[in-house]
Amino acid sequence: DTAVSQTPKYLVTQMGNDKSIKCEQNLGHDTMYWYKQDSKKFLKIMFSYNNKELIINETVPNRFSPKSPDKAHLNLHINSLELGDSAVYFCASRGLADSRDTQYFGPGTRLTVL
Amino acid sequence: DAKTTQPNSMESNEEEPVHLPCNHSTISGTDYIHWYRQLPSQGPEYVIHGLTSNVNNRMASLAIAEDRKSSTLILHRATLRDAAVYYCILRDLAGGTSYGKLTFGQGTILTVHP
Repeated sequence: DTAVSQTPKYLVTQMGNDKSIKCEQNLGHDTMYWYKQDSKKFLKIMFSYNNKELIINETVPNRFSPKSPDKAHLNLHINSLELGDSAVYFCASRGLADSRDTQYFGPGTRLTVL
Repeated sequence: DAKTTQPNSMESNEEEPVHLPCNHSTISGTDYIHWYRQLPSQGPEYVIHGLTSNVNNRMASLAIAEDRKSSTLILHRATLRDAAVYYCILRDLAGGTSYGKLTFGQGTILTVHP
């Protein structure tokens, strides 16, 4: 069973469009994250939710809006896409009961804005 | 989170041991040392973590200097599947507002030759 899954795996779209990326985890974890990996391969935290509540927002443009319908899902909606939004977006989850306190990452969604 | 310094790249031959160094001279007493790796076209995955004592698991060993200002990830017998970017990350688990987020540096690109 896949622990953290993301859809779609690839997303190609035009500038100005609105798109969403979905993330689901079946680990029973309380905390989920979105990270962005740019073309230079730097991974940066964007958002984190704990039990459906936003707890981290790392100065991300407000065109990006995360939504957590329940603690197993954290979706990322992006309005008015720009060329600079092209990147790989990774979802991750973390369980507070996990004695190793590790994060489990999804396979990533490669977003290309034309 | 405190900063870490890693070499940009390292090379190894298959079935030989690999020692990946990490400097963290500003580490605080409550910082855990975590290692993650990112295989090509995949999300990061947890490798190992420790606080003060050396740690072993099925994937690797972590050797921590006595003053905790540096650590070394040891892959005992590198395989081609170990070719990845390895990240050394400090995590403050004493509380605060980090909410478990991972702050990734540039990491070390490990190339394994057959």
